[in-house]
Amino acid sequence: NAGVTQTPKFQVLKTGQSMTLQCAQDMNHEYMSWYRQDPGMGLRLIHYSVGAGITDQGEVPNGYNVSRSTTEDFPLRLLSAAPSQTSVYFCASSYRPSPNEKLFFGSGTQLSVL
Amino acid sequence: EDKVVQSPLSLVVHEGDTVTLNCSYEVTNFRSLLWYKQEKKAPTFLFMLTSSGIEKKSGRLSSILDKKELFSILNITATQTGDSAVYLCAGAGGTSYGKLTFGQGTILTVHP
Repeated sequence: NAGVTQTPKFQVLKTGQSMTLQCAQDMNHEYMSWYRQDPGMGLRLIHYSVGAGITDQGEVPNGYNVSRSTTEDFPLRLLSAAPSQTSVYFCASSYRPSPNEKLFFGSGTQLSVL
Repeated sequence: EDKVVQSPLSLVVHEGDTVTLNCSYEVTNFRSLLWYKQEKKAPTFLFMLTSSGIEKKSGRLSSILDKKELFSILNITATQTGDSAVYLCAGAGGTSYGKLTFGQGTILTVHP
């Protein structure tokens, strides 16, 4: 079982460049989300999706864009990278609700913006 | 705004010690409290608690939730060096499932 697959694992960008972080899951999970993790701040929600065609903003959405055209894929786009977006990014997915809200995480993407 | 606070932020112990990690939460329409262990990269699931006062156990790890006082604790007995990790607490609530609010994490270091 592949689970949640994120690519790339590492990326270095220059300020102003754009890129897409890929996320795919093969568990037929309805719910998918993107988090960023910065030292001392835990994980903060960027965007999430409750199903194909439906997305919503999380706690820190500025500078990021998402779409959910299929159940399996949930890419995260950085529109114009800034040094403040240097972080580790995690994609996660979960089953239908109640009672299980357990998130399955991808292995993360370490992004540096110079 | 939902909020989850963990304490202590870091903890250094020796093998064999028992540790207690704390998590307090303010989550609108609270449904569950989850604990994760993060060693290198992806957090891995430990426990999900939905009912107050019912302890969940897995080997040397156990956790309990107090919905009246809005907190949870994670206990690790007879710690081992392999327990060294960041322990994350997260609250689930609101109108959307699969959307968690995480605490800052507790960095646990276990020395031989």
